[in-house]
Amino acid sequence: AQSVTQLGSHVSVSEGALVLLRCNYSSSVPPYLFWYVQYPNQGLQLLLKYTSAATLVKGINGFEAEFKKSETSFHLTKPSAHMSDAAEYFCAVSDRGNQGGKLIFGQGTELSVKP
Amino acid sequence: DAGVIQSPRHEVTEMGQEVTLRCKPISGHNSLFWYRQTMMRGLELLIYFNNNVPIDDSGMPEDRFSAKMPNASFSTLKIQPSEPRDSAVYFCASSFGRTNTGELFFGEGSRLTVL
Repeated sequence: AQSVTQLGSHVSVSEGALVLLRCNYSSSVPPYLFWYVQYPNQGLQLLLKYTSAATLVKGINGFEAEFKKSETSFHLTKPSAHMSDAAEYFCAVSDRGNQGGKLIFGQGTELSVKP
Repeated sequence: DAGVIQSPRHEVTEMGQEVTLRCKPISGHNSLFWYRQTMMRGLELLIYFNNNVPIDDSGMPEDRFSAKMPNASFSTLKIQPSEPRDSAVYFCASSFGRTNTGELFFGEGSRLTVL
């Protein structure tokens, strides 16, 4: 069965500092991997996705993630945090052979940005 | 463009009452998902449909939960009878395409409180 593990339920950084949110996946087949963001009282929005092209994926709002098969990781980074980045971030995995787009989400990491 | 529309946004009910949550997916999308979000369990996939047909309902907690998709533009999630432990935010999401590229479009959620 597929799964994702997000290390750290809460991460706090200062404005301008590096953001690093960790995600490790488990999948018996080559996966598709995703990062979603959820702002308060809203649904989730796609930040970026890995679907077997370049292993370094760039997303919206300056975020990027690197797929590392040897480490079964897909960590999310941003060089310089902004106050508006404060939100909850979810890593997700899907089976490429999966009909219809079923995603399995991690538990989420809440990012706080201090001024 | 209209996104995924859910109603009601908030519902407060008493234990034992029937609850019906509604979802209108994005026009042209052929997959629809119901997720439940709680602090304790995170985001759980309850059921998903492809071309109006239920594909996987293994996440539906128990027989008190049922979901239907009578046509491509409407789905319901019903809880009967409701219990306090059903209190959560219920999200509907839709996507397009048979193969999984994974971009789900989420509604803003229905926050259910069962007293």
